[in-house]
Amino acid sequence: GQSLEQPSEVTAVEGAIVQINCTYQTSGFYGLSWYQQHDGGAPTFLSYNALDGLEETGRFSSFLSRSDSYGYLLLQELQMKDSASYFCAVSGQAGTALIFGKGTTLSVSS
Amino acid sequence: KAGVTQTPRYLIKTRGQQVTLSCSPISGHRSVSWYQQTPGQGLQFLFEYFSETQRNKGNFPGRFSGRQFSNSRSEMNVSTLELGDSALYLCASSEASSGNTIYFGEGSWLTVV
Repeated sequence: GQSLEQPSEVTAVEGAIVQINCTYQTSGFYGLSWYQQHDGGAPTFLSYNALDGLEETGRFSSFLSRSDSYGYLLLQELQMKDSASYFCAVSGQAGTALIFGKGTTLSVSS
Repeated sequence: KAGVTQTPRYLIKTRGQQVTLSCSPISGHRSVSWYQQTPGQGLQFLFEYFSETQRNKGNFPGRFSGRQFSNSRSEMNVSTLELGDSALYLCASSEASSGNTIYFGEGSWLTVV
């Protein structure tokens, strides 16, 4: 089967750094994406890795190791507004069909 | 540019009825995909359309169907509604045929009673 595993919850304080891991098992692989979703809102795109290595976008970075079927999202200088659910998603085939993990709820406290 | 627009935003239906949800993608986007989000199952892929053709289909029963029009707008239909169909239905659009970035609409909240 196809599956993505990520922690269900992570807590941190403002200003801290947090890493959300994602391991995947899919029949095909085109890339790993990360999405953020606030309560009651739509998922919004954060980052995408097709090749091994680190992608940096402001306070957020994403890493991929295809040989390990593993990736992570790194959030730095955490702010209260970063409290949300974070989903990793794999493109397992050509097109825009994504397989999502169950999501990680990040709670940032002051 | 306007974002992905979904209508209706909220609706309540009775078991056995059918429902049609509409999605207008971002202007210029030709790929539209649909997802179901529930607390228990998370985000699950329903189907994807590109240039009016269904390119991929998720693991959902035949009661779930969709289509895309020549202007890239898309609709999904669920027939013979069941209580378990209560969910947030999200539409997403992408510029490319194999978009690594998809943009979601706010979703349609469906409650089946």
